Amino acid sequence: QMQLQESGPGLVMPSQTLSLTCTVSAGSISSDDYSWSWIRQPPGKGLEWIGYIISGGNTYYNPSLRSRASISVDTSTNRFSLKLSSVTATDTAVYFCARRGRDVITLGDYFDIWGQGTLVTVSS
Amino acid sequence: DIQMTQSPSSLSASVGDRVTITCRASQSIGKYLNWYQQKLGKAPKLLISGAFSLQSGVPSRFSGSGSGTDFTLTISTLQPEDFATYYCQQGFTTPYTFGQGTKLEIK
Repeated sequence: QMQLQESGPGLVMPSQTLSLTCTVSAGSISSDDYSWSWIRQPPGKGLEWIGYIISGGNTYYNPSLRSRASISVDTSTNRFSLKLSSVTATDTAVYFCARRGRDVITLGDYFDIWGQGTLVTVSS
Repeated sequence: DIQMTQSPSSLSASVGDRVTITCRASQSIGKYLNWYQQKLGKAPKLLISGAFSLQSGVPSRFSGSGSGTDFTLTISTLQPEDFATYYCQQGFTTPYTFGQGTKLEIK
């Protein structure tokens, strides 16, 4: 059963860059059937999609992040990463990595496998 | 962006009750609607994709319906483990967006 695991610093200074990595196990990140996403959840609030990457390297981001987000993939290590620049306190959240799949009937996109999440706090 | 609005925001119910949560999209999304369950401190779990397709391993007491802009998640007979927060998500177009959540609590 595929598993995803986030890793990275739990505390980031304001104006710095948040960097997280997601390690995919028991499956290949190079699969053409899936892509790889980051989603975040501020404490006590709802879910916000950040972006996703396809194994070939194409990326798609939420415009709300105003180009601060960058997602990359390393197929040799089965990992993908998130960088979020110029962070402020509003970027404090639990960050999840997730596999994006597609419904075979409707062709709509969903997130079917998630990491456990990692809390990142932006504070000096 | 497509706005997803869930109702109610919170709901108190008893074990054995039938519960319905609704989700409305700000524009038509066909059947590109997914439902997730999130327990405290855990990642969301995909329950239903494509408005009505139950994921493998999800109990049959969960069901989804709807198309266009209006969708529902129904739990036919509430079990103790169903008390959680539920989110809808549109998979029609990026940016993917989620509803604000419905917290299902024990009465």
